[in-house]
Amino acid sequence: GAGVSQSPSNKVTEKGKDVELRCDPISGHTALYWYRQSLGQGLEFLIYFQGNSAPDKSGLPSDRFSAERTGGSVSTLTIQRTQQEDSAVYLCASSLVGTSGRGVSDTQYFGPGTRLTVL
Amino acid sequence: LAKTTQPISMDSYEGQEVNITCSHNNIATNDYITWYQQFPSQGPRFIIQGYKTKVTNEVASLFIPADRKSSTLSLPRVSLSDTAVYYCLVGDIRGGSQGNLIFGKGTKLSVKP
Repeated sequence: GAGVSQSPSNKVTEKGKDVELRCDPISGHTALYWYRQSLGQGLEFLIYFQGNSAPDKSGLPSDRFSAERTGGSVSTLTIQRTQQEDSAVYLCASSLVGTSGRGVSDTQYFGPGTRLTVL
Repeated sequence: LAKTTQPISMDSYEGQEVNITCSHNNIATNDYITWYQQFPSQGPRFIIQGYKTKVTNEVASLFIPADRKSSTLSLPRVSLSDTAVYYCLVGDIRGGSQGNLIFGKGTKLSVKP
């Protein structure tokens, strides 16, 4: 079936402009995650959605970053007044979030990412 | 949050078995251990997950000792295409735990001919 998709795949913008990154999770997955990965670095957690609510926003690096999720499906990550240090690959993942108990897999399935370059 | 420690990098040759060990001394009772693989310019991909003892699938094996304070990902007979970064995660899989969200920098495996 279809995996996680993200758009655009590449985005080049000028410093100070706003950008919107989109994530389409796997159908039926209730959990959605945003990460950022700078060149040669590990993944940095940004925000996590359970349905349409975001119980964990602790990873957002500044108030220029915001995210929303509508209808329990598509999510948009918005970066306002972009800075050069925002340049990175932004990855989205979704997971099924099964019921509690052992034996339930909550594997995260990742999209291909959006490569953001701020000039 | 359960923290993990992995070697930054490892080198191997084609055909060898590779074992990558991850330390997670403060693992909690409800925590599972999950390994992901990431190729350059791609998102991470699930490899294997376990709770205790040994788990094996078509790609790898995961060895977890009785105290669960560490785990070892075993890749049999690696090939050049196994060159990637491998991440160990520890967390409560019951949905949305922050433990699932801390990837760290992973282990960069380089397989040489």
